[in-house]
Amino acid sequence: EVQLLESGGGLVQPGGSLRLSCAASGFTFSSYAMSWVRQAPGKGLEWVSTINNGGVSTFYADSVKGRFTISRDNSKNTLYLQMNSLRTEDTAVYYCAKGYGGDYRNWCFDHWGRDTLVTVSS
Amino acid sequence: QSVLTQPPSVSGAPGQRVTISCTGSISNIGAGYDVHWYQQLPGTAPKLLIYGNSNRPSGVPDRFSGSKSGTSASLAITGLQAEDEADYYCQSYDSSLSGWVFGGGTKLTVL
Repeated sequence: EVQLLESGGGLVQPGGSLRLSCAASGFTFSSYAMSWVRQAPGKGLEWVSTINNGGVSTFYADSVKGRFTISRDNSKNTLYLQMNSLRTEDTAVYYCAKGYGGDYRNWCFDHWGRDTLVTVSS
Repeated sequence: QSVLTQPPSVSGAPGQRVTISCTGSISNIGAGYDVHWYQQLPGTAPKLLIYGNSNRPSGVPDRFSGSKSGTSASLAITGLQAEDEADYYCQSYDSSLSGWVFGGGTKLTVL
């Protein structure tokens, strides 16, 4: 059974940093792209970032480019999201999601974690 | 403003059929990229409902179906049940944004 367990969320002041982690199990982690998707309170889903299976290719939404860094450690089956220069608008629950599909442009998110809450406030 | 446009809400009585539209443009759905659909029950993580425009993951009832034409896609739910009450999101890739995009979401109410 695929399991994704996020951690690292919390309360941080504007301009601060936070690192999210996602521990994966139940599948061959190193074979799949992984992503972060967030959902602001009462709002819809927003794709944040994706990393390919080998960790070589990374993709970012314009809203986080230059501030967030996605990475992975395939030896530890863990996905990370380093979030710097946090803004109040980054407040959201963050989901870790497993990618599925052939051509990367047709990837979907076939398994999701339970989420971790990030609150950016002074 | 989402790149993919969905109606904010739809409703239907138990047993009825409802459809949820997802309208995009030539840089996403119209470019031929696959559309996927997710169901988010209250207080839970999203769940993949339809992938590759019209494919159901194992365990998803055949009451749920997806289709795509031109710059739009649709999710149809037949034999509506109370447990289908949830938010539904479409998702695709956008070449102008060089990233993946979601629709704004549609809240389904079972009357």
